[in-house]
Amino acid sequence: GQNIDQPTEMTATEGAIVQINCTYQTSGFNGLFWYQQHAGEAPTFLSYNVLDGLEEKGRFSSFLSRSKGYSYLLLKELQMKDSASYLCAVDQTGANNLFFGTGTRLTVIP
Amino acid sequence: GAGVSQSPRYKVAKRGQDVALRCDPISGHVSLFWYQQALGQGPEFLTYFQNEAQLDKSGLPSDRFFAERPEGSVSTLKIQRTQQEDSAVYLCASSSGTGFGYTFGSGTRLTVV
Repeated sequence: GQNIDQPTEMTATEGAIVQINCTYQTSGFNGLFWYQQHAGEAPTFLSYNVLDGLEEKGRFSSFLSRSKGYSYLLLKELQMKDSASYLCAVDQTGANNLFFGTGTRLTVIP
Repeated sequence: GAGVSQSPRYKVAKRGQDVALRCDPISGHVSLFWYQQALGQGPEFLTYFQNEAQLDKSGLPSDRFFAERPEGSVSTLKIQRTQQEDSAVYLCASSSGTGFGYTFGSGTRLTVV
């Protein structure tokens, strides 16, 4: 079967660093996406990992280990506006769509 | 257009009513996807179009759900005889091709009462 696991909720302090983990078991793997979704809004693209390793983009970084079926999203210097849901999604081989996890709701507190 | 546009933004339907949800993708985007997102959940795939061809409808939950994209641009998701379990946000996304990231619309929040 196919499955993506993410923590349901996380809380972190403004200015801190937070790591959101994602583990996946899917039938084939082409790449992994992270999306940010504020309440009532569209998911917006954050990152895409195809190869193992760390991809850094400003305050956000994403890591992938294909052998472990594991990814994480790292958010540095947290800001209040980072309070949102973070969705992990896998692009599966032979599939015409992205398979999403349930998302991690991050709350940033002062 | 500059982004993916969906209408209406909110829809309240009485149980048993038919509804039609519209998606206007980014101009020139070949691929168009419909997803259903229940409260507190991730988006779940419904159907996929490449231009006007519906290549995958494996995620449509029942034969009450129907989608079309007759000219390869605007798409409509129709739900017949709505039920309470159909209440969700319906997201449309477009992409310039498979394997590329999606651009999502803001969704239509459907509430069936």
